[in-house]
Amino acid sequence: QSVLTQPPSVSAAPGQKVTISCSGSSSNIGNNYVSWYQQLPGTAPKLLIYDNNKRPSGIPDRFSGSKSGTSATLGITGLQTGDEADYYCGTWGSSLSAVVFGGGTKLTVL
Amino acid sequence: EVQLVQSGAEVKKPGESLRISCKGSGYSFTSDWISWVRQMPGKGLEWMGRIDPSDSYTDYSPSFQGHVTISADKSISTAYLQWSSLKASDTAIYYCARLTMYSNSRWWFDPWGQGTLVTVSS
Repeated sequence: QSVLTQPPSVSAAPGQKVTISCSGSSSNIGNNYVSWYQQLPGTAPKLLIYDNNKRPSGIPDRFSGSKSGTSATLGITGLQTGDEADYYCGTWGSSLSAVVFGGGTKLTVL
Repeated sequence: EVQLVQSGAEVKKPGESLRISCKGSGYSFTSDWISWVRQMPGKGLEWMGRIDPSDSYTDYSPSFQGHVTISADKSISTAYLQWSSLKASDTAIYYCARLTMYSNSRWWFDPWGQGTLVTVSS
């Protein structure tokens, strides 16, 4: 059972938009920054979003992040088959004194 | 290019010891922390701990404290994850990642190493 709650799976058609939620509490998301990671099949995770809503260089603006209260959201527009991956949110868990991740969301582009 | 390159896959027996490595290049190895993350087969990401290579200060997740040891040798830009007595439940892929950290509240992992598969089986 992960500290942060993500939907196990989401799906959408190519070209469409999808959002992935990450729900926490005041002891994690509510008082800390959130980052998002993409893990393509058989590969290492890759940073997509940091500081809630900033994109590293090289990450297309199809990817966006937002945070409100104790929840964060990853948005992906113009879906491509190459976006099929697992997506994880992460933040600091103040009560645990540890980094905490969501359980991951598998994105299927139909 | 900033890069973390990990050591190769390992197959061990229960009770054996193991140390895997993570070598950084393309940046000042002592300017950022290194973290280790576990991914058990078919499961999500679990943070194990972090080390500041500049002084080898370490900080462990309560879930992993006492079960593994994180260390670093800044002279060769390499971090390590070590077990003294492996169990079958340690079978997983282990990733190292550069941790850019401004505070406990504000940090991110980038880049990640390619992962090291550790298989523990009798």
